[in-house]
Amino acid sequence: DAGVIQSPRHEVTEMGQEVTLRCKPISGHNSLFWYRQTMMRGLELLIYFNNNVPIDDSGMPEDRFSAKMPNASFSTLKIQPSEPRDSAVYFCASSLAGTQGGGEQYFGPGTRLTVT
Amino acid sequence: DAKTTQPPSMDCAEGRAANLPCNHSTISGNEYVYWYRQIHSQGPQYIIHGLKNNETNEMASLIITEDRKSSTLILPHATLRDTAVYYCIVRVGTGANSKLTFGKGITLSVRP
Repeated sequence: DAGVIQSPRHEVTEMGQEVTLRCKPISGHNSLFWYRQTMMRGLELLIYFNNNVPIDDSGMPEDRFSAKMPNASFSTLKIQPSEPRDSAVYFCASSLAGTQGGGEQYFGPGTRLTVT
Repeated sequence: DAKTTQPPSMDCAEGRAANLPCNHSTISGNEYVYWYRQIHSQGPQYIIHGLKNNETNEMASLIITEDRKSSTLILPHATLRDTAVYYCIVRVGTGANSKLTFGKGITLSVRP
């Protein structure tokens, strides 16, 4: 299994530009999670989907952030316009959600975003 | 907010057992305890989880106290590659409506 795939691995952009991060979950998984990690705030959950439907987006910092999951094998996290404080490592994770336990999440390698 | 508290750091000698403690005194009856670790510059990695009983897999053992207010992750024979941040997490919710809230974790340093 290829695991969770994220692209790009590194992104450097200027303030004000649109940034799109991509994620391909593990085949057969039905839940997908977007996290952001910084030194100051640690690992934060931004949004998660189940069966392609957003379940909880309370962690999305503001309207500049949006996420979509058009099908079971692809998700995007978009930042428009980007700001220097958005610089972080963004992780995507997927899991097979069940009713009891299980649901362990498998993380991708992350996208390191730098906004100058 | 994370429902767990962990010491910020600990170390152990290579080849010895590493016992990582975690307190979760407000855990509810149907909430699972999960452990993940994050090696520098990599995504977090699932280790093990449990509800009431002790659990063991190829990576580690999880010991949960009878009152479920605390747990210990045991790495039986720590190696240098086990140096990482270890997160103890109480999984809130069930099924599709569940999520993990990562705290600061405990930094384990394995010394030669």
